[in-house]
Formats: sequence, structure tokens, C-alpha cells
Amino acid sequence: GESVGLHLPTLSVQEGDNSIINCAYSNSASDYFIWYKQESGKGPQFIIDIRSNMDKRQGQRVTVLLNKTVKHLSLQIAATQPGDSAVYFCAEQPSGGSNYKLTFGKGTLLTVNP
Amino acid sequence: DADVTQTPRNRITKTGKRIMLECSQTKGHDRMYWYRQDPGLGLRLIYYSFDVKDINKGEISDGYSVSRQAQAKFSLSLESAIPNQTALYFCATKSTVADTQYFGPGTRLTVL
Repeated sequence: GESVGLHLPTLSVQEGDNSIINCAYSNSASDYFIWYKQESGKGPQFIIDIRSNMDKRQGQRVTVLLNKTVKHLSLQIAATQPGDSAVYFCAEQPSGGSNYKLTFGKGTLLTVNP
Repeated sequence: DADVTQTPRNRITKTGKRIMLECSQTKGHDRMYWYRQDPGLGLRLIYYSFDVKDINKGEISDGYSVSRQAQAKFSLSLESAIPNQTALYFCATKSTVADTQYFGPGTRLTVL
């Protein structure tokens, strides 16, 4: 999985399988987390977000899990489809005076094999 | 996101040239951001603006300047482009009452 600060890892899955993409964050003051999807040649696209007062949030085919104890975030994609192939990256935002600013991870490249 | 547009989408220029990248948004957001993206480095903040009269440097502002012409428009300038400014540039917007940033499609800039 990725960390805010590491090289780009890759994940290859078969169509129809579930995908799990991981992200470690370092700022214990962060209280908002977001996952983006970036397809080749496009800008980052919002997928799902979660606040620190939650440990799980579900969207359409996606679930984000937050473990504040170990500062870990994961994105689960159910029934992965070829159109899910992209770079996925997490971002964190601290509370308080710096809450305008997101710190981004470097991303995980997800490849879905038909 | 069609609500955030960037022009040009691609640009090739030479060292020493002045370049302006433009961003427009129809989301009505007050906050706008400029980022650059390099392979293996993720998105890094260049400048951000809370409103027309409030502009702030990000973590990598050297060699760049910005102008917030209106609530909907935020442009990024490279006064004298250099090859290590070759990168993908993204504009983003954010409401003051929500945390999500929305990105434009990006500009691929190559400085020869």
C-alpha cells in the first residue's frame, strides 16, 4: 500500500474481484481524509471521503476504512471493473488553522485484468 | 470535472519564455489552488487563494506567480520557464463550507 511519502506501488486484480488499496498517514492531527481516482490524462476525481469521527463509510461499490490507532486508511472497491483501472491516492487534511490544505499520497496504480 | 476548466491542455515552450496557465470554475467556490504533479512525487501545492484579495504561497512557489482576476478565475504564470518546471499542472477549487477539493483536467507543460 501507499504512504504519504513513498514510491508508487501497483496492484493488479482480475475483473470481478474486490480490490483493497492502502494508505498510511503520519499526521495524528488530521481529521479529514479523501480518496481520489486519476485516470491517464485526466485530473483527480473525488471518490469518497471520511472524517476522523468515523471508522467506515460506504459509497457505490466503494468503502473507506479508517484506523486512527495505527494511522491507516484503506479503499475497498467491490467487483472491480476494467474502468476502475487508474491511479488512486489518498489525501489528509489537518484540523484547525491548516484545514485549507491537503497533503497527498503518491498513489497506487490499479490495473484490472479482463 | 467540467465545472473546473484549464487552458491550455498541453503546452510546449522553450527555456526563458513566459507562460500563463489559466483556470476557470463555475462551482461558485471561493478557494482556488494550483498544484504540480511529477512522477513519483504526488501533488504539491504551488499557490492558493481564499478569495480575490487573499493569495498565499504554497510549498513550492519559487519561479511561479499567480493572479486571481475574479472569484471564478485563477491563473498561474511562469515568468521565465526552466526545464525542471516540466510537469502536470492542476487547478482545484474548494468551498469554504466543505472540505472536498475538485480538480480541473490539468495542463501538461513541457519546457525545452
